[in-house]
Amino acid sequence: DTAVSQTPKYLVTQMGNDKSIKCEQNLGHDTMYWYKQDSKKFLKIMFSYNNKELIINETVPNRFSPKSPDKAHLNLHINSLELGDSAVYFCASSHEGGRTEAFFGQGTRLTVV
Amino acid sequence: GNSVTQMEGPVTLSEEAFLTINCTYTATGYPSLFWYVQYPGEGLQLLLKATKADDKGSNKGFEATYRKETTSFHLEKGSVQVSDSAVYFCALYSNTGNQFYFGTGTSLTVIP
Repeated sequence: DTAVSQTPKYLVTQMGNDKSIKCEQNLGHDTMYWYKQDSKKFLKIMFSYNNKELIINETVPNRFSPKSPDKAHLNLHINSLELGDSAVYFCASSHEGGRTEAFFGQGTRLTVV
Repeated sequence: GNSVTQMEGPVTLSEEAFLTINCTYTATGYPSLFWYVQYPGEGLQLLLKATKADDKGSNKGFEATYRKETTSFHLEKGSVQVSDSAVYFCALYSNTGNQFYFGTGTSLTVIP
């Protein structure tokens, strides 16, 4: 029944590793997003993606890349992890146009050691 | 550009007190406005929304009115409960930016 699900919920890894976070939505939405939430709870948009367009926040390092095998999935792949990447990452989805709300996953707490 | 400014926290209130969390926005076009709530260890949940000027969103005793003239969407509740303790985010969606823009969040703690 979960609308937006992401895995894993917790991820602890060493610096320099490559990791992926998976996200799936069963709402039939056509737009998906990745947000990063820092320790002060500030939410920063990383990517938004629909069938037509990938919008990348220009401040996001190119070590981060979204991968969408189909409309219901938007995975986040991170290369060469750094200590500063430690944060909570949220996946979200909405209908295109945003007149309805975005639905969020439960978050993935990434800790880089 | 598009942005949201909300009052900084943390906010601490006694149970049954009146709550106001201020939110103002800057947007191109005609944005939709939202309040989300985040309980500890969880994702964001929609609390209420308004899609056009003068609309009032309401849910669980919370209310906010879309004021175009003051570009505001302040959150109010007449009598808070301990269970309202959470972080509250004001947000807008602008189709000129094709994304949701969030404020910095306001942490609320309600004490018995």
